[in-house]
Parts: sequence; C-alpha cells; structure tokens
Amino acid sequence: KAGVTQTPRYLIKTRGQQVTLSCSPISGHRSVSWYQQTPGQGLQFLFEYFSETQRNKGNFPGRFSGRQFSNSRSEMNVSTLELGDSALYLCASSLGDRATAEAFFGQGTRLTVV
Amino acid sequence: SQQGEEDPQALSIQEGENATMNCSYKTSINNLQWYRQNSGRGLVHLILIRSNEREKHSGRLRVTLDTSKKSSSLLITASRAADTASYFCATGVLKAAGNKLTFGGGTRVLVKP
Repeated sequence: KAGVTQTPRYLIKTRGQQVTLSCSPISGHRSVSWYQQTPGQGLQFLFEYFSETQRNKGNFPGRFSGRQFSNSRSEMNVSTLELGDSALYLCASSLGDRATAEAFFGQGTRLTVV
Repeated sequence: SQQGEEDPQALSIQEGENATMNCSYKTSINNLQWYRQNSGRGLVHLILIRSNEREKHSGRLRVTLDTSKKSSSLLITASRAADTASYFCATGVLKAAGNKLTFGGGTRVLVKP
C-alpha cells in the first residue's frame, strides 16, 4: 500500500509570490490534515479536510488555504509569501471516520522563502 | 499554544540503554499518539493509546497513559543507533470534530554507538 505522497519535496520562492503544495493520501483515507513545522513554533495544525469539506481549521491567517478533491487528494495554497512562511509543511491522512484516528504523514515539503 | 509539553527536551544515551520521555497535556483527550521524526523528514507513527487504556506495547516500545495526571510516557528499551530521532507526542482532543492533533515540542534522542 502506497504511503502519503507530498509534492514537491523542496521549493524556493520569493517574498510576495504564492505557492501550491500537493498531498495524495493513502488509498481509502478520506481525511487529510496539514501541519506547519518550524524550529520556533514546532508542529502546528493548519486545517483538515474530509470529503471535500474543511472540517477543522487552525489559527493561521487567511493567506493559508486549502482544498480537497473528490479523490481525496488535497492541495494547500499560501499567497503573498512572507519570510516567516519558510517551514516544513506536512500532510497527514487518516480514515477519518472517527475523531482523531491514527494519522500517517508524508515526507513533507520544505518551503524556503527568500 | 501547544497542548503537550515533553520532557526532557533532549536525551543522550548509550546503545543498549533504555530511553524514557514524558509528555504532559492540559485538556481531556480522546487519545494520545507518539511519533518519530528523523532529521526534519516526515513523522512516523509509533503507537496510539486511547484514553481508556493505561499501557500499550509495540516491539521495544512501551507507552503509558495516566489521564488523572494528564501525562504519558514513552519507553524505548535496548536502544539502537537507529533510534536517534526526535519523538513527539500528539493529543487528540475530546469532542473535537474530525482529526486535529496537537503536538508537543518533542524530545531529541541521541543514541551513541
């Protein structure tokens, strides 16, 4: 069974640009969550999608958005990038049929904003 | 703010020794999960313990949960160099809709050969 796949693995962007990250969950998993990891703030929850609907949202500005497609694949978008958005962005998938089930993570996308 | 706080922040041990790390949290939880992360890569799920369980084993891992003290511990027995990683606890909050894990700051474990 294939794991969670995140693309791209590495990304360098300039301040002010926007970026789209992609996540393909494990087959059969309907819940996809996104997390941001930085040395200063640690791992922070961004949002969760289940059956194409945002079910949970963390405390991030509106520049951070996401969506989920009918095949459960998810994308997150960050607009008007700031230097502080440099981070490892992790996607996790789970069956999602009950609250906080076991989550499986991808390898992450390392975003560097210059 | 982080739900879980881990202790110690860093741990250095010799191969073959046991490593113990603790996690404390603030609110009632549905379950608590432990993850391992190698050098800024993805998180690997280690073990999930539900709020009605007190202890769980998986290979060389033993996890305990004390909901009255709002704390959990992860014990790695007979450690190996390959266990060198950061370990995170993550809590699933009771009554929260959907999947939202709140992570602790992690414990960096160095196993010296």
